[in-house]
Parts: sequence; C-alpha cells; structure tokens
Amino acid sequence: GEDVEQSLFLSVREGDSSVINCTYTDSSSTYLYWYKQEPGAGLQLLTYIFSNMDMKQDQRLTVLLNKKDKHLSLRIADTQTGDSAIYFCAGVLGGSYIPTFGRGTSLIVHP
Amino acid sequence: SQTIHQWPATLVQPVGSPLSLECTVEGTSNPNLYWYRQAAGRGLQLLFYSVGIGQISSEVPQNLSASRPQDRQFILSSKKLLLSDSGFYLCAWGETGANVLTFGAGSRLTVL
Repeated sequence: GEDVEQSLFLSVREGDSSVINCTYTDSSSTYLYWYKQEPGAGLQLLTYIFSNMDMKQDQRLTVLLNKKDKHLSLRIADTQTGDSAIYFCAGVLGGSYIPTFGRGTSLIVHP
Repeated sequence: SQTIHQWPATLVQPVGSPLSLECTVEGTSNPNLYWYRQAAGRGLQLLFYSVGIGQISSEVPQNLSASRPQDRQFILSSKKLLLSDSGFYLCAWGETGANVLTFGAGSRLTVL
C-alpha cells in the first residue's frame, strides 16, 4: 500500500465543518503537513504538526494526530466556498528528509 | 523574502519534440530543489531532487532529465516528448535540513 493515504473526495455544505483524513505507515514520522492546492496553482503549506503533539489549532483549522493509529486529520470550521481545493497530507517517513505526499483529497463546498 | 519562479506556465508540444522547463529561486542560498509531476490533477510524483550544483537524484526511470547549472536554477528537460509526459509539473525548494517545501505555480504540459 501507499505510505500516505487519503480519501479522494469530500463534499460539504457551506458553513459546515470539513474533516479530511490521512493515514501513514511510518511510526517514526517526525513531521506531518497539510498543503492546499487551488485549481491550476502550486501547493501552499497550510499547517504542520510535530509528532510529539496531539493537536494544533490555527484559526479555522484544527489538526489532530493519533500516533497510535497513525492517523492525521484536518478540520476546517465554517467551511467556505473559497476552501474548495485539493488538500494534500504529507509526512517525512523512513528517515528521509523528503516529504512523501498523499494523493490529495478534493474538497467541494456547495451552497 | 524568498520567491520561486517557474516558466513557462503553459506549454503545448508535439510528440517527439524537446522540452525545457525552468525554475529559479530567489532570496536563499544552497536550497534543496525538487521537480514533481502531477498527472491528471491527482497525486504528486517526485521526479528529481538536488542538494547542490550538478547533484541530481532521480526517483523514477523516465523520459526526462534534470540539471542544476547554478545554485538557484533547476531545469527539467526531455529530448523527445511522449504522450505520457503530459501533466502539471511543479518545482519546489526547501532549506537544507528542513522538510517544509515551497512550491512554484506550476507548468502545465500537454503533449499532442
């Protein structure tokens, strides 16, 4: 299986919360990241979490890390149409310094 | 502050033609540089990375090559394009020892 896995699509109603999930295989991962890609653009770093943390909150974004289950999630509160994008989970795995990316989750926000 | 530039933004090329995509970084020294391909708008495949001038590591065998003639310049090339080379190519840079990548705006290549 892939080192970093994500579901491919998520559809939510404007104003609801979105939760994007990610699982990874390497328990020695030290850094985990969320990137956002808007249509036709490059990736932008949204937030990151160190492996010694369980949660990180930044305005409407909340990252939860469950190290036991190797599960990372990104919650977006009060989701807006401008949040429609592809969200990539990434982690530094296996002692490499190069992040491994998931396949990305397309978030669709509808009125 | 650091910036990263990629060009051209869009390219339509016939099968068998050559390719050159360029990436430059400003505001930093000795960055790690990366080329990724995103096919059909999904997933990121690492193609090449470089930790210094003339040092190129290839992740997958393919029809492409990369070069780093200057510290902050990274070029993706092909002598003869294939249909399967179509995709969205992303250049990125990161500081030595750090894991956060900053991406360029991407170059969309269509091979006909």
